[in-house]
Amino acid sequence: DSGVTQTPKHLITATGQRVTLRCSPRSGDLSVYWYQQSLDQGLQFLIQYYNGEERAKGNILERFSAQQFPDLHSELNLSSLELGDSALYFCASSVVGQGGGYTFGSGTRLTVV
Amino acid sequence: GEDVEQSLFLSVREGDSSVINCTYTDSSSTYLYWYKQEPGAGLQLLTYIFSNMDMKQDQRLTVLLNKKDKHLSLRIADTQTGDSAIYFCAENAKGSQGNLIFGKGTKLSVKP
Repeated sequence: DSGVTQTPKHLITATGQRVTLRCSPRSGDLSVYWYQQSLDQGLQFLIQYYNGEERAKGNILERFSAQQFPDLHSELNLSSLELGDSALYFCASSVVGQGGGYTFGSGTRLTVV
Repeated sequence: GEDVEQSLFLSVREGDSSVINCTYTDSSSTYLYWYKQEPGAGLQLLTYIFSNMDMKQDQRLTVLLNKKDKHLSLRIADTQTGDSAIYFCAENAKGSQGNLIFGKGTKLSVKP
């Protein structure tokens, strides 16, 4: 157990729907990162939050949004889902300023049908 | 923009050494990382190296960094079947605001 918890582990939904993925970071980590892993694109950085504030944005679509709550858990909202959004979504956390890398959760596998 | 490249596949025999190579583009990266992903699991940090180091050894793992050529390698000594996984190289490029940029991963297959 890495200490980063993601729920749900699997999600199957129809095109056009909206889903929410949840992440609880490792205890003490203030930063949360969301990544999308697909077969053709590899691991793509989506967005980072630090202590409740958006810190950096990557290749995140306008249909996607995220937030980090006062208890530091984070949610990634995906709306108007398309078949191409099917992927593994990973959350990671870190203590910002440390070089020790990120701790990843085990991911949420999203299948859009 | 930032780009991290790795070969996609590597096959070795059990007991041999494996060497996984990676090239990166951002010379300002402070740290470079190796992550391991087993089937159905998240990414696990294996090791990392600070950019002012040439080499780091950690048990069976040896990381070599050639900053001039922007080349990073991971050597796994005495490779075991349990080492079969996908290995990702990553850099914390300044252009990406310090966020990790990953390569597409090298799938290591270890044959008995």
